[in-house]
Amino acid sequence: QVQLVQSGAEVKEPGASVKVSCETSGYSFTSYDVTWVRQAPGQGLERVGWMNPSTGKTGYTQKFQGRVTMTRDISTTTAYMELSSLRAEDTAIYYCARGRSLNAGYDYYMDVWAKGTTVIVSS
Amino acid sequence: SDELTQAPSVSVSPGQTATIMCSGEALPKQFAFWYQQKPGQAPVLIIRKGRERASGIPERFSGSTSGTTVTLTISGVQPEDEAAYYCQSTDRSGDVVFGGGTKLTVL
Repeated sequence: QVQLVQSGAEVKEPGASVKVSCETSGYSFTSYDVTWVRQAPGQGLERVGWMNPSTGKTGYTQKFQGRVTMTRDISTTTAYMELSSLRAEDTAIYYCARGRSLNAGYDYYMDVWAKGTTVIVSS
Repeated sequence: SDELTQAPSVSVSPGQTATIMCSGEALPKQFAFWYQQKPGQAPVLIIRKGRERASGIPERFSGSTSGTTVTLTISGVQPEDEAAYYCQSTDRSGDVVFGGGTKLTVL
């Protein structure tokens, strides 16, 4: 079955970087995007960005541009999200999910989600 | 980006019908998707393209669209349906947009 499994919780100091992994299985890794969504404590969902594992092409939500990097390792069907210059407001659960577009980038949605990785930024 | 607006909370008794609405200017042009998130769990896709149930989702969940509003209806609400429900679409620039979420309480 389709599965996405993320790395464990992280605690980082302000200004540091964090790299979260998302190991996929049960489907063709290069046929679907990997999308990253975060959820701050008690808050709603916010997409951080997406990556096309086949081409390596990425798209980042404007507020994260310059701080986020999404990469992949096709040999291990694993996607990565690195967020730098961390601040307290980045404390959140970060989810990876399989992303699909129905219409050339529009009508985009996430059909399978991982359990999430908690990232805490604190001094 | 185009915003999606949801009521923060809805309460119903077991067996009743819950109606969760989501409004946004882009909705007539873009499909809406609905996710269920139970406490401490990841979101789960329940409705795609406004009205199609995702795989394994019970028939009591249905979606509809009318103009700038999309609606998630849960008929015969069960206690296990207590969760937060998020609508999602894409805006005119192709960015994914989520509604703020509606917390469904089953009394």
